[in-house]
Amino acid sequence: GAGVSQSPRYKVAKRGQDVALRCDPISGHVSLFWYQQALGQGPEFLTYFQNEAQLDKSGLPSDRFFAERPEGSVSTLKIQRTQQEDSAVYLCASSRPGNTEAFFGQGTRLTVV
Amino acid sequence: AQKITQTQPGMFVQEKEAVTLDCTYDTSDQSYGLFWYKQPSSGEMIFLIYQGSYDEQNATEGRYSLNFQKARKSANLVISASQLGDSAMYFCAMREGPGGTSYGKLTFGQGTILTVHP
Repeated sequence: GAGVSQSPRYKVAKRGQDVALRCDPISGHVSLFWYQQALGQGPEFLTYFQNEAQLDKSGLPSDRFFAERPEGSVSTLKIQRTQQEDSAVYLCASSRPGNTEAFFGQGTRLTVV
Repeated sequence: AQKITQTQPGMFVQEKEAVTLDCTYDTSDQSYGLFWYKQPSSGEMIFLIYQGSYDEQNATEGRYSLNFQKARKSANLVISASQLGDSAMYFCAMREGPGGTSYGKLTFGQGTILTVHP
């Protein structure tokens, strides 16, 4: 497909379970961003990759959150030992450097029960 | 630190009328970008319009225009001739300028829910 693809679309996890969320950016897009969007709120920045390099992880809320992009294309956001407060929509966006528009995926809605 | 403020939690407009969604921002950067995104109930973020801090003209994209007042640090979105399909959440966002470690990173406001009545 031509757009940013995220999977799964929905994930229900039991508290304490580990989860992995996948983002497949638009081909050729060097920049990749992860955002967390709590219900009724605006998205909040988690982390940024330029190619395979994670240049900014200042938004990751705890050391239970880990993101990687080993080959500079697909990225995975991993959350270990999930907690209820991790319940949110996780959005991925990609863009070309300097481009005005970031393209978003449809997000993964994570519910921790 | 950058900050975006959207003071209208919800707005209502009659179909075919125009509506303005407010956005103010705060930054110490000289170079920055301002965006508006639409998020329907399905969840995807749809890019609407972009304004660069050095752009002298207000941005326009079809029925969308951005009323950029740099001195007041406001970037209001104007939707003309509202349609039922415009009902959605609208987010104002600011992008960190070049030179930062996360060029392209967006800071979002809290959003405004727009409801278009027939």
